[in-house]
Amino acid sequence: AQTVTQSQPEMSVQEAETVTLSCTYDTSESDYYLFWYKQPPSRQMILVIRQEAYKQQNATENRFSVNFQKAAKSFSLKISDSQLGDAAMYFCAYRTMLYNNNDMRFGAGTRLTVKP
Amino acid sequence: GAGVSQSPSNKVTEKGKDVELRCDPISGHTALYWYRQSLGQGLEFLIYFQGNSAPDKSGLPSDRFSAERTGGSVSTLTIQRTQQEDSAVYLCASSFRRDSPYEQYFGPGTRLTVT
Repeated sequence: AQTVTQSQPEMSVQEAETVTLSCTYDTSESDYYLFWYKQPPSRQMILVIRQEAYKQQNATENRFSVNFQKAAKSFSLKISDSQLGDAAMYFCAYRTMLYNNNDMRFGAGTRLTVKP
Repeated sequence: GAGVSQSPSNKVTEKGKDVELRCDPISGHTALYWYRQSLGQGLEFLIYFQGNSAPDKSGLPSDRFSAERTGGSVSTLTIQRTQQEDSAVYLCASSFRRDSPYEQYFGPGTRLTVT
């Protein structure tokens, strides 16, 4: 079964600085999706960025970018020019491309604090 | 447009009582998921509905947990004879199945506390 590991329970960054959140996963599949979700105190899970495993190019969404290392099974999230509104729990998630598999696996999360 | 909504926002119940949690998915979304998030943990998949197909119940932790989806829209998660370990945030998500990669839109969750 696939597992997702986030080894950093908590991270802190100064406003306007850059921070990288780590995520590793374990799978025997070659095609899958990876996601980063943000969960602010409101509990609303918000999709930050996604990556298809068959794409070599790293996904980028404004200040958010990923470093996808397929061979190493690593999927880190870089937040540039951190803002106070970035403070939240961040979850890495894995989803198979198999049609009949509905399971999305989440890591335990990293709590990001942004210092003014 | 309206997102995924869940009710109640918070629920406190006594051990042994039954509870019902409600999820209203985004209109037109054919897929609906329930997850459980225990304190300090990631999300645990519980159950998945897709259109009129039989639900995928593989994530339900015990037979005290059940879920229904009426008319392909609203879903209710029922926990019978609640236990303290059932205390968690229960999140619902929906997606439009034909979209790849079936991006899920989450509701705000219901925080369940069993005393």
